[in-house]
Amino acid sequence: EVQLVESGGGLVQPGGSLRLSCAASGFTFSSYEMNWVRQAPGKGLEWVSYISTSGSTIYYADSVEGRFTISRDNAKNSLYLQMNSLRAEDTAVYYCARAGGNFDCWGQGTLVTVSS
Amino acid sequence: DIQMTQSPSSVSASVGDRVTITCRASQGISSWLAWYQQKPGKAPKLLIYAASGLQSGVPSRFSGSGSGTDFTLTISSLQPEDFATYYCQQTSSFPLTFGGGTKVEIK
Repeated sequence: EVQLVESGGGLVQPGGSLRLSCAASGFTFSSYEMNWVRQAPGKGLEWVSYISTSGSTIYYADSVEGRFTISRDNAKNSLYLQMNSLRAEDTAVYYCARAGGNFDCWGQGTLVTVSS
Repeated sequence: DIQMTQSPSSVSASVGDRVTITCRASQGISSWLAWYQQKPGKAPKLLIYAASGLQSGVPSRFSGSGSGTDFTLTISSLQPEDFATYYCQQTSSFPLTFGGGTKVEIK
């Protein structure tokens, strides 16, 4: 079964850091581009970041550029999102999603709350 | 950045109704458009890719059409399990962008 499982969310103070992980199983992780997408409470979907299969090509939304870093470890079938200088507006459920354009598989999401 | 505008933002419909949701791109995206369904507390689910391609396992009552800037998602006969929020997404260029969503509610 194709599965993505996020972890690492939680409560963090403004200005703090958090590292999200996404564990992939049931498919050849190294063959798929990956993304992070977030959804603020009661709001719509916002694409956050993309990484190519090898990690050589990366894109970010303007809202997180310079603060977030996407990475992957194909040997560990894992995707990561390092989030620094967190702001209240980063509060959201963060999803990892498979593939470069159409997101055909999503994790269940992990909640990040930025609050003092 | 390419802006995606969905309409309506919400629609009330009955089981068996035909429902149409529209998505407009701020510039031409050819057929680089996807549609997703999201139920409360759940992750989105891919319904349509490349504007009109039906994702495996998705019922045939869902269909997509359009190209360039104007796109449509149609549910031919609304079923109880279809009450959800629907999002379009352009996959033409980064940053990838989503529409604001259309909530399909029970009438």
